[in-house]
Amino acid sequence: NAGVTQTPKFQVLKTGQSMTLQCAQDMNHNSMYWYRQDPGMGLRLIYYSASEGTTDKGEVPNGYNVSRLNKREFSLRLESAAPSQTSVYFCASRTAGRAYNEQFFGPGTRLTVL
Amino acid sequence: QKEVEQNSGPLSVPEGAIASLNCTYSDRGSQSFFWYRQYSGKSPELIMFIYSNGDKEDGRFTAQLNKASQYVSLLIRDSQPSDSATYLCAAEMNRDDKIIFGKGTRLHILP
Repeated sequence: NAGVTQTPKFQVLKTGQSMTLQCAQDMNHNSMYWYRQDPGMGLRLIYYSASEGTTDKGEVPNGYNVSRLNKREFSLRLESAAPSQTSVYFCASRTAGRAYNEQFFGPGTRLTVL
Repeated sequence: QKEVEQNSGPLSVPEGAIASLNCTYSDRGSQSFFWYRQYSGKSPELIMFIYSNGDKEDGRFTAQLNKASQYVSLLIRDSQPSDSATYLCAAEMNRDDKIIFGKGTRLHILP
């Protein structure tokens, strides 16, 4: 099992460019998440999807869109990148139904917006 | 104000001593709480979860939950240099799968 995979691992964008971060999991998990991590800020929730076909805003959704393509895949899109979106982005997944199920995290995508 | 609060540290603890990490949360509907460890440049990994009031022990780690005070803590006994990392506290809001993290506490174990 690959667990949670993210592509790309690194990306440099210019201000105003768009891109999509891809996330896939092979653990048959229902719930998927996108977080961003900035120095000293912990993980901040951007969007999450409790099941296929549903998405909900997290703490910092502005400037982002998401798509839960199917049960395995959850993508994050930046339509017009800004320097403030320079960050490390983590995707995570977990099984629904039991409240104490842990999240499994991908390796992260390091994004720099110039 | 963030829904999950942690002291960012750094917290320095001598090797072999007890490290105590604290976390408070604002949503009384929060049901489950998690402690993750994150090494620099790596992804977070789960250390403990707790959802009932009281203590939960796993090896050198003890998680404590006090729902009346909206307080969660993590104790690390016999601290080792390999415990040096950032510790992230997380809470599940109202059982709706929304999981919010605190800013994390940087822990340094001094040899």
